[in-house]
Amino acid sequence: QSVLTQPPSVSAAPGQKVTISCSGGGSNIVSNYVSWYQQVPGTAPKLLIYNNNKRPSGIPDRFSGSKSGTSATLGITGLQTGDEADYYCGTWDSSLGVGVFGGGTRLTVL
Amino acid sequence: EAQLVDSGGGVVRPGGSLRLSCAASGFSFDEYGMTWVRQAPGKGLECVAGINWSGSSTGYADSVKGRFTISRDNAKNSLFLQMNNLRAEDTALYYCVRVRYYGHYDNYMDVWGRGTTVTVSS
Repeated sequence: QSVLTQPPSVSAAPGQKVTISCSGGGSNIVSNYVSWYQQVPGTAPKLLIYNNNKRPSGIPDRFSGSKSGTSATLGITGLQTGDEADYYCGTWDSSLGVGVFGGGTRLTVL
Repeated sequence: EAQLVDSGGGVVRPGGSLRLSCAASGFSFDEYGMTWVRQAPGKGLECVAGINWSGSSTGYADSVKGRFTISRDNAKNSLFLQMNNLRAEDTALYYCVRVRYYGHYDNYMDVWGRGTTVTVSS
């Protein structure tokens, strides 16, 4: 059972937009910044979004992040087949004293 | 370019021990916190242990507390995870990960190793 809650799967057609939610509580999402990671099957996760809404160098602006209260959201526009992957939200948990993740969301581009 | 190379995984019997290592290069290792993240087969990500830049502060997931110990040697640009009393549920791919601003509200994981596989089986 993950500390943060994500939907198991989402899907959309190429060119469309999709959002992935991540919910938590006062000791994690409310108190700390959220980051998002993309994991293509068989490879290591890659940082996609940090500090709620910032993109590392090389990440296209089709990817965006936001946070409000106990929830965060990852948005992906102009979907491409190459975006098919597992997406994880993550943050620090001030009560547990470790980083925590959501259970992951599998994105399918139909 | 920042790089992490994790090693030390293998097959071990329940109750046994294993020590994972991670060699860092391409950045000032002693300026960053580090963490070990594991992924059981077909499952999600789990932070099992973290350590700040100096080694003075560590944190553990409840699932490994009292059995795993994270440590680092800044002189050798190396991170370690000592795993004792291993259980079948510890079977996973273990990633060495660099953490920006470890322990702070704005921390995030920006460099990942390729992972080393730990299998606990009789």
